[in-house]
Amino acid sequence: GAGVSQSPSNKVTEKGKDVELRCDPISGHTALYWYRQSLGQGLEFLIYFQGNSAPDKSGLPSDRFSAERTGGSVSTLTIQRTQQEDSAVYLCASSLGRVSYEQYFGPGTRLTVT
Amino acid sequence: AQSVAQPEDQVNVAEGNPLTVKCTYSVSGNPYLFWYVQYPNRGLQFLLKYITGDNLVKGSYGFEAEFNKSQTSFHLKKPSALVSDSALYFCAVRDIGNNDMRFGAGTRLTVKP
Repeated sequence: GAGVSQSPSNKVTEKGKDVELRCDPISGHTALYWYRQSLGQGLEFLIYFQGNSAPDKSGLPSDRFSAERTGGSVSTLTIQRTQQEDSAVYLCASSLGRVSYEQYFGPGTRLTVT
Repeated sequence: AQSVAQPEDQVNVAEGNPLTVKCTYSVSGNPYLFWYVQYPNRGLQFLLKYITGDNLVKGSYGFEAEFNKSQTSFHLKKPSALVSDSALYFCAVRDIGNNDMRFGAGTRLTVKP
């Protein structure tokens, strides 16, 4: 079946602009995660959605970052007033449920802020 | 707080030799442990996980990992490496009750013919 998809695959933006990154999880997966992977670094947890529960936003690095998940499916990560340090690969993952289930990752969106 | 360490940035092995990629973790409770692999220009793929039960878990592509509670380790192993195993490997840990998963910085495995 279809895996996790993300769009765009690449995004180049000017400093100060807003960007939106999209994630389509695997159908039926109730949990959705956003991570950031900087060059040479591991994955940094950003935000977690589980069903209709309030999201866990504890990983968002600043109030310029926000995310929504509409209808329990598609998610959008928005970065306002982008800075050069926001340049990274943003990964989305989904899973069947909480904690013990493995996550399935999308190919990522490479964001470059010039 | 939970954390995971991969002490080696790079591991080089010859094809046909056994390989080990090391991972140690720290959690306040019982851990859920995962290994993922990232091939060039591709997303992370799940390899295997330890939740409970047998300390030796087997996963995709002939990989296995052993959970060692006393040493707080979860090393990834394969008896005979293939050139196609060359990739970036990530260990991850989740503490029961936490939503986020902590990933290690990754270990780049290179298998030479």
